[in-house]
Formats: sequence, structure tokens, C-alpha cells
Amino acid sequence: SQKIEQNSEALNIQEGKTATLTCNYTNYSPAYLQWYRQDPGRGPVFLLLIRENEKEKRKERLKVTFDTTLKQSLFHITASQPADSATYLCALVLYGNNRLAFGKGNQVVVIP
Amino acid sequence: KAGVTQTPRYLIKTRGQQVTLSCSPISGHRSVSWYQQTPGQGLQFLFEYFSETQRNKGNFPGRFSGRQFSNSRSEMNVSTLELGDSALYLCASSLFGLALVSYNEQFFGPGTRLTVL
Repeated sequence: SQKIEQNSEALNIQEGKTATLTCNYTNYSPAYLQWYRQDPGRGPVFLLLIRENEKEKRKERLKVTFDTTLKQSLFHITASQPADSATYLCALVLYGNNRLAFGKGNQVVVIP
Repeated sequence: KAGVTQTPRYLIKTRGQQVTLSCSPISGHRSVSWYQQTPGQGLQFLFEYFSETQRNKGNFPGRFSGRQFSNSRSEMNVSTLELGDSALYLCASSLFGLALVSYNEQFFGPGTRLTVL
């Protein structure tokens, strides 16, 4: 069956450290992979998109890697700040299919 | 530029009733997608509308339906509500939707929190 897996346990991290989140998928062939941030009571906010032929993408303190062989994406927040505390969702954009398939998200708590 | 708006923000219904939720996309956006978010299942795709046509549909029963108007505003309807329909319903708009040829970022609204009693 098709799955997108993110760690269900919250990641607690000290301010200033790098937070690393993992997104694993099975039985999907995504064209793109995206990461979103969601705060309580709000809709997701788009952060980064990486294409299947790209290995790495950066945006300010954020970095995403995409390994289609391992079927895995890593999401890094460097120099984390308390304002980075949120739930982060990975989503796949699928070939031939106008939809996003989301993981359930991974909560990050940055401790001052 | 105003963001995606959804109304109402909160809704309480009883089993067997029906409900209509509304989504106004960002001005100029022609695609509206709807998602259901629950703690157990996460975000699940319901359907996408582009220029008043449903382009894709997720794996939800026929009780879930939607439509899009000529001004790109969209509504989704859930008939014969069940307890399991309690969820956050999110809509997202984008210029061209999820077509791979010209992918565009999706912008999500704040959602409508539906509680079915």
C-alpha cells in the first residue's frame, strides 16, 4: 500500500541547534516533494519544493534533500529559533495526478 | 493581496444533517483544492476544481461533493453527516493547480472546523 511516513513523536530541540525531520514514502513515484509548515488552528504554509532530479534545495535557514533511491526526504532547520516551533508536513506531487499526498506531519518544539 | 478565505470558520452539526462550506481563492487563482484533516488520517485530498471543472477526486464517498463558480469561488457539500466527518476542512488555491507542466504553489486557507454531534 502507499504510505508517507513522518515521525509521530515531537522533536524537542535546543535553540540554535539544527532540527532534522525525515519523510519516507513507499509505492509512490513523485514528481515533486514539498514541505509545509502548519501552526495550530491554521492552514499549512508552503516552504520548499524539490523536484525528483534535484538532490538539495535551500531557502534561508531551511534545507531539503530528496533521495528517490531511498524514497526519502530530509528537512533541516539550521540555527533553530522558538518561532520555528510548529508541525512540518511533507507532501508528494504525483505524476499524472492532480493532487497532493501528505504525510501526517512532525511537530518541532524549539526550547529557548 | 488578500489570502484564501473560508467560511464559516467553525460549524457544529448533528448526524444526518448536511453542510456547505465556502472557499474564496486568491484573486486570479483558478484552481481550488479541498482537503480533510483529522488527527488519525492527516491531510487527505478531497477534490480539485479548475475553471469550474472537477479535475481530480480523492477516495471519499459520494456524500462529499463540490462545485466551483465562474468567479473561482468554490463550495463543498457533505450530506448525511456522520460522526467521522468531524474534521478541519481546508481549501487551497493556486494559479494553475497541480498540473506538472507549470506547477504553482498552493496557498491554504485557515480552514473550517466541522464538529458533528
